[in-house]
Amino acid sequence: DGGITQSPKYLFRKEGQNVTLSCEQNLNHDAMYWYRQDPGQGLRLIYYSQIVNDFQKGDIAEGYSVSREKKESFPLTVTSAQKNPTAFYLCATEPGTSSYNEQFFGPGTRLTVL
Amino acid sequence: AQSVTQLDSHVSVSEGTPVLLRCNYSSSYSPSLFWYVQHPNKGLQLLLKYTSAATLVKGINGFEAEFKKSETSFHLTKPSAHMSDAAEYFCVVSDPGGGADGLTFGKGTHLIIQP
Repeated sequence: DGGITQSPKYLFRKEGQNVTLSCEQNLNHDAMYWYRQDPGQGLRLIYYSQIVNDFQKGDIAEGYSVSREKKESFPLTVTSAQKNPTAFYLCATEPGTSSYNEQFFGPGTRLTVL
Repeated sequence: AQSVTQLDSHVSVSEGTPVLLRCNYSSSYSPSLFWYVQHPNKGLQLLLKYTSAATLVKGINGFEAEFKKSETSFHLTKPSAHMSDAAEYFCVVSDPGGGADGLTFGKGTHLIIQP
């Protein structure tokens, strides 16, 4: 987890609300990623960003939005359009200089819809 | 296209006995392969990685894995299980061309250690 912080650790949302999950890194890594984890389904990619002010949709981007205004920060907003947002959300970084795609993970945020 | 299959969703072993977590992959290229471990409500931690050097890779906490190209496998082993090994384990394959689309995660194997 070192060098990547996610907050809050637990988050509760009422239906119809937008919420923003924070991801900050001090590793000076170029690329940042957001994954969603559901029991028995492994990790699914939501969005990723390889440079500042640029990001790409992953496999399950619908109902989510991101921004990358600073290299250190890659916040994820879960919008009301996401029909089933209850899950564990993981942020990851990648140096950008490695050809092996090794990623480093934050401690995660557990989002629960009430 | 690439894919990864973890052959067991759950594995249960007794403390002190060997651990075997199975992973098969498919890739059009010479892949990089990783094993990550996740303890409950935590992020993923890298256990070990294969990047086309030695086929037998040693990782942290006594784990190792062997890359077998002929069998397209990358099974994770440990000679003697410890209670602290109880966790979720993910096998991951990477396209050497890089980029987010090159990383594919298995669905995970839940390792249970019996006292």
